[in-house]
Amino acid sequence: GAVVSQHPSRVICKSGTSVKIECRSLDFQATTMFWYRQFPKQSLMLMATSNEGSKATYEQGVEKDKFLINHASLTLSTLTVTSAHPEDSSFYICSANDNGGGETQYFGPGTRLLVL
Amino acid sequence: AQSVTQLGSHVSVSEGALVLLRCNYSSSVPPYLFWYVQYPNQGLQLLLKYTSAATLVKGINGFEAEFKKSETSFHLTKPSAHMSDAAEYFCAVSSGGTSYGKLTFGQGTILTVHP
Repeated sequence: GAVVSQHPSRVICKSGTSVKIECRSLDFQATTMFWYRQFPKQSLMLMATSNEGSKATYEQGVEKDKFLINHASLTLSTLTVTSAHPEDSSFYICSANDNGGGETQYFGPGTRLLVL
Repeated sequence: AQSVTQLGSHVSVSEGALVLLRCNYSSSVPPYLFWYVQYPNQGLQLLLKYTSAATLVKGINGFEAEFKKSETSFHLTKPSAHMSDAAEYFCAVSSGGTSYGKLTFGQGTILTVHP
């Protein structure tokens, strides 16, 4: 149980285009999901908290207009990187709290984004 | 505010030797503490967690960690390393209140296991 999937696993795009990443909780409902960014050889940095049915909460320094988050259902959150630039290239990982499980977060397998 | 410090970005051990990965935390409220493992190009897998119950926590794959409030530590250990343990390990802290559910990660420790 407690499986989180992400799609796509890897994406290459041209500079200026937008990319959408999906995060799904497969066998549980998640009111709250989290989006992290991980640069090579670095730790995970929380970007934003995605709340089902309401606006996402962004961490300081994260541009909300560039990283659009939508959490339309209890099993799906999407992150859209708008007008991507090479510096947006990174490993994006989502996680979800099981509504009935409290404090544990379950992580997706990550999405590798490369912007050319 | 909460923070995590992992001492040692790289740890190398021989197969069969003791594994010790260090983690110290800072939190203004009683914390929840976690250890995650990450294999290359993959997400994070939960090894174990401390949530104010027993201070010695046993996790998967033979790992365990002990919460020591007086030392603000949560070190991860395994009595005998296996080649398959080679990966990157992250310690994380979560606090309640307005930060409920938010994880703050340490810098990570890469574990190398050699024959």
